[in-house]
Amino acid sequence: GAVVSQHPSWVICKSGTSVKIECRSLDFQATTMFWYRQFPKQSLMLMATSNEGSKATYEQGVEKDKFLINHASLTLSTLTVTSAHPEDSSFYICSARDSSRGANSPLHFGNGTRLTVT
Amino acid sequence: DQQVKQNSPSLSVQEGRISILNCDYTNSMFDYFLWYKKYPAEGPTFLISISSIKDKNEDGRFTVFLNKSAKHLSLHIVPSQPGDSAVYFCAAMVKTDKLIFGTGTRLQVFP
Repeated sequence: GAVVSQHPSWVICKSGTSVKIECRSLDFQATTMFWYRQFPKQSLMLMATSNEGSKATYEQGVEKDKFLINHASLTLSTLTVTSAHPEDSSFYICSARDSSRGANSPLHFGNGTRLTVT
Repeated sequence: DQQVKQNSPSLSVQEGRISILNCDYTNSMFDYFLWYKKYPAEGPTFLISISSIKDKNEDGRFTVFLNKSAKHLSLHIVPSQPGDSAVYFCAAMVKTDKLIFGTGTRLQVFP
């Protein structure tokens, strides 16, 4: 089945530093990838839609200068949390849809990245 | 504004019996619905989906029912197995590709 690899799986960083999270589709191409964030015991909240070769589309309330998204190829999207603060500590999950399948084909998710900012 | 709601945060079911997970939505523009299963510290895995033009979709032990007039869908798992214990999210989508998730229901299947 389709596999989405997300790296790192967990990271601890100091306040004020930046952290990059990678999301790769391993056996399919994805023109669009999605970044979600999940707080404890809450739903997955869509942060932004990453579009290959163009700017990401951010959801309302998500700071695009803080959460930098780059979708440089059909298999790789990165999320960089800039100048991280403790309130950015969360579980970040990426997802991708196989571009060769229909628009209603299911999203495939990475295993997530647990970010802790101290 | 929570467009997709799962009002039961948890459900406990005995092995072999049926598990019924419910989901309500408010946006009548949703045209596709999916159920995902999630283990702790892992990403969600796709289970089953249904288009808004259908009212039932079945895949093995999993069946999803859609009641558009009530804006309600449910996931039936029968027979339930201990390995089914996880958090289940329903999700809904409009043509823009955005997937909106519910708050999740933690299912525990006990022997």
